[in-house]
This record gives sequence, structure tokens and C-alpha cells, in this order.
Amino acid sequence: GAVVSQHPSRVICKSGTSVKIECRSLDFQATTMFWYRQFPKQSLMLMATSNEGSKATYEQGVEKDKFLINHASLTLSTLTVTSAHPEDSSFYICTGVGGMNTEAFFGQGTRLTVV
Amino acid sequence: AQKVTQAQTEISVVEKEDVTLDCVYETRDTTYYLFWYKQPPSGELVFLIRRNSFDEQNEISGRYSWNFQKSTSSFNFTITASQVVDSAVYFCALSDDKIIFGKGTRLHILP
Repeated sequence: GAVVSQHPSRVICKSGTSVKIECRSLDFQATTMFWYRQFPKQSLMLMATSNEGSKATYEQGVEKDKFLINHASLTLSTLTVTSAHPEDSSFYICTGVGGMNTEAFFGQGTRLTVV
Repeated sequence: AQKVTQAQTEISVVEKEDVTLDCVYETRDTTYYLFWYKQPPSGELVFLIRRNSFDEQNEISGRYSWNFQKSTSSFNFTITASQVVDSAVYFCALSDDKIIFGKGTRLHILP
């Protein structure tokens, strides 16, 4: 089946630095990419929805200037956590969708630790 | 507004018992999809099933079965003859214009 490849799987960064997470859709074109954040023992919370070639739509309470999302092509979407702080430490996961109400394919997730 | 409720936060059963995980959803849309995902300790999400809103047939896949009741907006998941490897967090999700997850049910299968 289709795959979304997410990198890196784990990253540790210093406070104040930026981290970029990439999600690539393999074998299909992801017209929409959803980005989620999951804190320990909690659910996946939707951060933003990005459509190829458009600005991302952020959920309430998610800072768009802190979490920069780029979806420049149908196969690549990136999330950049800018000026990371320890409270940004979390599990970030993307999911690509090929079209309205089609199956969603999840990346493997990125565990971010900010020290 | 979209909402997915998994009322069971944590369940523990002894191996070989059957267990049902509940999922109730809310949406204004008539066309939507429902999903179940398994999240083992490694963190990856494992796709289990997708069901569209027009297909109310129950589904069985090995020890797993799903009961979709549109009248009660429920999409429950049953594991028959549970095994220790079934221990994980299970998420129910709803997709209309975006995918929203329930809070998950942590399932412990005790040997």
C-alpha cells in the first residue's frame, strides 16, 4: 500500500534552535497533509491542515509562526518547529490523504526532545 | 462539530477473553469515514480499518470485528480471544474534512 515516509524518527535539539520534520508521500500524491502532535499518554491533536500549494490552516491555539508548515509539492510537506523550547517536546506525526475522504496514510512519527 | 468519544480510558482483561472498545462520534456531514488505529509502545500508528458512512455492514478480520451502528453513531471494535500482543492504545478516528481522533483506549492484555 501507499506509504508516507517521515524523517527524522528521533531528534534531540537545544532550546532556541529550529527543527525541520519532513513527510514524503511515496506511490501517491498527497493533496492534503495533516500534522498532529501527541504528548505522552494523550491523543493525537490536530495542529494544522495543509493543501498543496496553499497556506496551511492551523487549529485554534497552534501558533502558526512557531510551527511553519510548507506543502510545496504533492509529495512533500515539512513542519519546522522554530525556536524550540522544552515544552515543544512531543511526538509529531503527519498523515497524507490523496483526496477527499480517501484513506489516510500516516508517517512513522518524529519524537522531538528539546533540551 | 466533529467529535469522537472513547469513553474507556483503560481496560485490562486476561488473555483469551473477548474485549470490546467503544467509539461514539458526532458529525454534521452525511459523508464521512471512520477509522480504527492501533498504537503499540513503539509509537507508530497501525491502520486497522476504514469504513465509510454508507456502509453499515459489520466487518470481521480474523480475531477483530467491527460493529457500525449509524443510528447510535457508534463504531465499536471487538477483539476475540485476546492475546498479549494486542496490548496497545487503540484510537478511533473520524474523517470528514479533517481527521479527528478520540482520546484512545489503553488496552492491557494480562497473561
